[in-house]
Amino acid sequence: EGVLTQSPGTLSLSPGERATLSCRASQSVRSIHLAWYQQKPGQAPRLLIYGTSSRATGIPDRFSGSGSGTDFTLTISRLEPEDFAVYYCQQYGSSLLTFGGGTKVEI
Amino acid sequence: QVQLQQSGPGLVQPSQTLSLTCAISGDSVSSNSAGWNWIRQSPSRGLEWLGRTYYRTKWYSDYALSVESRITIHPDAANNQFSLQLNSVTPDDTAVYYCARDVRHCSGGNCYYYYDMDVWGTGTTVTVSS
Repeated sequence: EGVLTQSPGTLSLSPGERATLSCRASQSVRSIHLAWYQQKPGQAPRLLIYGTSSRATGIPDRFSGSGSGTDFTLTISRLEPEDFAVYYCQQYGSSLLTFGGGTKVEI
Repeated sequence: QVQLQQSGPGLVQPSQTLSLTCAISGDSVSSNSAGWNWIRQSPSRGLEWLGRTYYRTKWYSDYALSVESRITIHPDAANNQFSLQLNSVTPDDTAVYYCARDVRHCSGGNCYYYYDMDVWGTGTTVTVSS
């Protein structure tokens, strides 16, 4: 079962700044099997990115994903007030899905 | 628009069975391009995928190694829903439980299973306590 390690645990930034979130896998992940989610308090996670770099329906283009193999990145080009939340990566491999521990983006 | 409506008890006694149901609208549990998942979230475990069921000419289920001896996910085609049963629960199973859909993506005539979850239920808080 693959392990996903996200860093940093917390990212303290201001609106308008760029956020770069990292997700490292313990074993190689097929690019189509890496996704990113945003979660706000009291809500279910919301899909942002699938297949490493494809934005889900309705997701603004300030969100972008990249990476390959074991290293993946979610970038938020210019933080809006509504972007302050917790972000999770998720991977699929060998019929199992796993999530990373999350990165909190705070003001 | 696909929606998932969760139902089930919020309190379960230790050693008993946790049972939740996820009713689907706007899609079919028997779709051969979707999978139907259960995920839970707690402060100690974070987001934890529990398992999924899916139909590809017959029914299949995959389970997380951490719960595979205690879990069953049942599809119910007649009522267009799927359920979670987790046996022999302990306080460590206290969590918010979510159901979610994963769906095949197609581009340029090619379709693949990406296993991302694009629709989620609102969550059910389940407490295991006597």
